[in-house]
Amino acid sequence: EVQLVESGGGLVKPGGSLRLSCAASGFTFSSYSMNWVRQAPGKGLEWVSSISSSSSYIYYADSVKGRFTISRDNAKNSLYLQMNSLRAEDTAVYYCAREGPYYDILTGYPFDYWGQGTLVTVSS
Amino acid sequence: AIRMTQSPSSLSASTGDRVTITCRASQGISSYLAWYQQKPGKAPKLLIYAASTLQSGVPSRFSGSGSGTDFTLTISCLQSEDFATYYCQQYYSYPRTFGQGTKLEIK
Repeated sequence: EVQLVESGGGLVKPGGSLRLSCAASGFTFSSYSMNWVRQAPGKGLEWVSSISSSSSYIYYADSVKGRFTISRDNAKNSLYLQMNSLRAEDTAVYYCAREGPYYDILTGYPFDYWGQGTLVTVSS
Repeated sequence: AIRMTQSPSSLSASTGDRVTITCRASQGISSYLAWYQQKPGKAPKLLIYAASTLQSGVPSRFSGSGSGTDFTLTISCLQSEDFATYYCQQYYSYPRTFGQGTKLEIK
């Protein structure tokens, strides 16, 4: 069974830093691209960042570029999001999501499995 | 960035009804379109990908259609468990973008 479990959320002051983790199990983690998606309270879904299976390709939303860093450790089946210079508008539930299914040879795929999310609150 | 616009933003319906949600992309995305269902306090769940392919385990009352810029999600016979918020998402290019969501409520 595919499982994604996020951790590392919490309360942080504006300008502070936080590192989120996502522990993956039930599939060959090193074969899949992974993503972070966030959802501000009462709002819609916002894609944050993507990383390819071997970390060769990394993408960020403009809203977090230069402040957030996505990374992965395939030996530990883990995905990370280092968040620096946090702002009030970064307050959200952060989900990690697996890219898939790989139904054809394409340039993109949907997100077939999601974690339960971890809440990040940026407030003084 | 490709903008995804859903309509309506909210919808009231009754069990047994047939409902349709529309998603429009600001530029052509071929069939790189997914639909997700989200219930309060839960993670989104993939329903449909490639615009019309049902994800494994999703009931057949859900269907999707469209290509290019205009897409629809149809639920043929609403069940109580279908009342939720629905999002479309394009995965044609980066940044990946979602529609603003359609909240389906019980009438």
